[in-house]
Amino acid sequence: GAGVSQSPRYKVAKRGQDVALRCDPISGHVSLFWYQQALGQGPEFLTYFQNEAQLDKSGLPSDRFFAERPEGSVSTLKIQRTQQEDSAVYLCASTQEGGGVGETQYFGPGTRLLVL
Amino acid sequence: DAKTTQPNSMESNEEEPVHLPCNHSTISGTDYIHWYRQLPSQGPEYVIHGLTSNVNNRMASLAIAEDRKSSTLILHRATLRDAAVYYCIHDSGTYKYIFGTGTRLKVLA
Repeated sequence: GAGVSQSPRYKVAKRGQDVALRCDPISGHVSLFWYQQALGQGPEFLTYFQNEAQLDKSGLPSDRFFAERPEGSVSTLKIQRTQQEDSAVYLCASTQEGGGVGETQYFGPGTRLLVL
Repeated sequence: DAKTTQPNSMESNEEEPVHLPCNHSTISGTDYIHWYRQLPSQGPEYVIHGLTSNVNNRMASLAIAEDRKSSTLILHRATLRDAAVYYCIHDSGTYKYIFGTGTRLKVLA
């Protein structure tokens, strides 16, 4: 079946602009994760949803970052007033159940954000 | 702390086996080890995972040490398409994966 999809794949923003990144998880997957990957580094956790509930947002770097999953499927990561340090690849992942131990996370291709 | 330690890079000749090591010294009872790989401009791709005993699938094998503090991902015959960054993840059930910098595998033709 279809995997995790993300859009857009590439986004160029001027500093100060707001951006919205979309994630479509695998159909029926309960949990959804957002990660940020800086150049040459491994992905870092941003936030976690179980259905529509955001259970952990401890990785969001500032209050300019906001994520939602209102109907428990598609999720949007919004970054307000983008800064150059926000330039990174933003990855979305989903799991079939609650993301507990042993569950496999399936990743999308990522959105590469460049802030000029 | 569910961090892992991997070599920064490794090289292999095409069609030879590759053994990618990982240390996860803080692992405990029900914690899993997952391996992912990431090709350029793609998201991490699941490779294999295991708990205690060795695991095999169509992509690779996972050998877990008896004390579970280390593991080895085995690619039986490396191809050029296996060139990627390989991440070993210690899954302690906190749902958020902690990635290190991984091992960059270079496959030589």
